[in-house]
Amino acid sequence: KAGVTQTPRYLIKTRGQQVTLSCSPISGHRSVSWYQQTPGQGLQFLFEYFSETQRNKGNFPGRFSGRQFSNSRSEMNVSTLELGDSALYLCASSPGQGTGELFFGEGSRLTVL
Amino acid sequence: GENVEQHPSTLSVQEGDSAVIKCTYSDSASNYFPWYKQELGKGPQLIIDIRSNVGEKKDQRIAVTLNKTAKHFSLHITETQPEDSAVYFCASHLNAGNMLTFGGGTRLMVKP
Repeated sequence: KAGVTQTPRYLIKTRGQQVTLSCSPISGHRSVSWYQQTPGQGLQFLFEYFSETQRNKGNFPGRFSGRQFSNSRSEMNVSTLELGDSALYLCASSPGQGTGELFFGEGSRLTVL
Repeated sequence: GENVEQHPSTLSVQEGDSAVIKCTYSDSASNYFPWYKQELGKGPQLIIDIRSNVGEKKDQRIAVTLNKTAKHFSLHITETQPEDSAVYFCASHLNAGNMLTFGGGTRLMVKP
């Protein structure tokens, strides 16, 4: 069974630009979560989607948004990029509702110059 | 909201020794506690987990213990090997979708 796939793996943007990251969950998983990982703040929850609906949202500004498609694939978007948005963005999928069992992808490393 | 503290932040052991990483959580309603291993350049990998109705769980060289009264849980790795070197994260889960709150991580170094 294929794991969680994230694209692109690496990208470089400049301040003020916007970026879209993509995530394909494990087949059959309907829940997709996004986390931001930085050396200073660790792993922080961004949002979770289940059946195309945002179920939970972390404490991030409105520049961070996401969506989920009918095939459970998900995208997250960050608009008006800031230097502090440089991070590893991790997507995780889960087989069930509310079990907490997450399977992570390799991440998309975003560098903002 | 939930808060998870993890100690130590770095841990260096000799190959063959045991390693213990400890976490405390703040919300007594937390009911699921996974541990993740993250190797350089990779995403976190679930290595073991425990639910609140269980006190201890073991899988080969790794084990996790949970003390609900004290609100802390620990990861134990026995007979450490160089390939155990990685960053380990603990996490806790409340009944709110699949959202996890993570500890700050422990960098484990196993010296051959």
